[in-house]
Amino acid sequence: DAEITQSPRHKITETGRQVTLACHQTWNHNNMFWYRQDLGHGLRLIHYSYGVQDTNKGEVSDGYSVSRSNTEDLPLTLESAASSQTSVYFCASSETTAGGDEKLFFGSGTQLSVL
Amino acid sequence: SQQGEEDPQALSIQEGENATMNCSYKTSINNLQWYRQNSGRGLVHLILIRSNEREKHSGRLRVTLDTSKKSSSLLITASRAADTASYFCATFDMRFGAGTRLTVKP
Repeated sequence: DAEITQSPRHKITETGRQVTLACHQTWNHNNMFWYRQDLGHGLRLIHYSYGVQDTNKGEVSDGYSVSRSNTEDLPLTLESAASSQTSVYFCASSETTAGGDEKLFFGSGTQLSVL
Repeated sequence: SQQGEEDPQALSIQEGENATMNCSYKTSINNLQWYRQNSGRGLVHLILIRSNEREKHSGRLRVTLDTSKKSSSLLITASRAADTASYFCATFDMRFGAGTRLTVKP
């Protein structure tokens, strides 16, 4: 069955280190998204991509970057991790539909702690 | 800024009761979607309602949409303990609100 997987499930890192979170989907979806989830803020969109070589900033993109070299993967990089980036990170994907009725499929999340 | 805002933030009911959650949004939409999140898991899509629809049903779920008020509601009828989760609405730009935390007591 098609799926979307995130790795690692848990990550502890130190302030200032570069961290990359992986997201891999086998749905063959064009669209991929990264969110962070914090208490009181719900899900906030970090970056998204509508296809290979396409990336766009979301509402909380500072300190994060993504690259899309193939359809299946959208890794999220924290260039220099900060304690404010401690959060749960979710990756999601969707297919492009003519009617605009894209439904998101989510991964299980990565719990990141920056100490 | 977040597009969808859910209300209430938390809701606690007894098993068998109905649960109603509301969502308000800011701009014009093509559709509105509701998602569910069990604790510690990713979100799961529940139902989508298009801007030209006023009401939609799926099993025990009933969604309404009022584009003039820029609001939607999700009704879960005859709730079960297994419905305990957080519920989110999302608009076409895939932005979510803070969600409604539903607790159904057995």
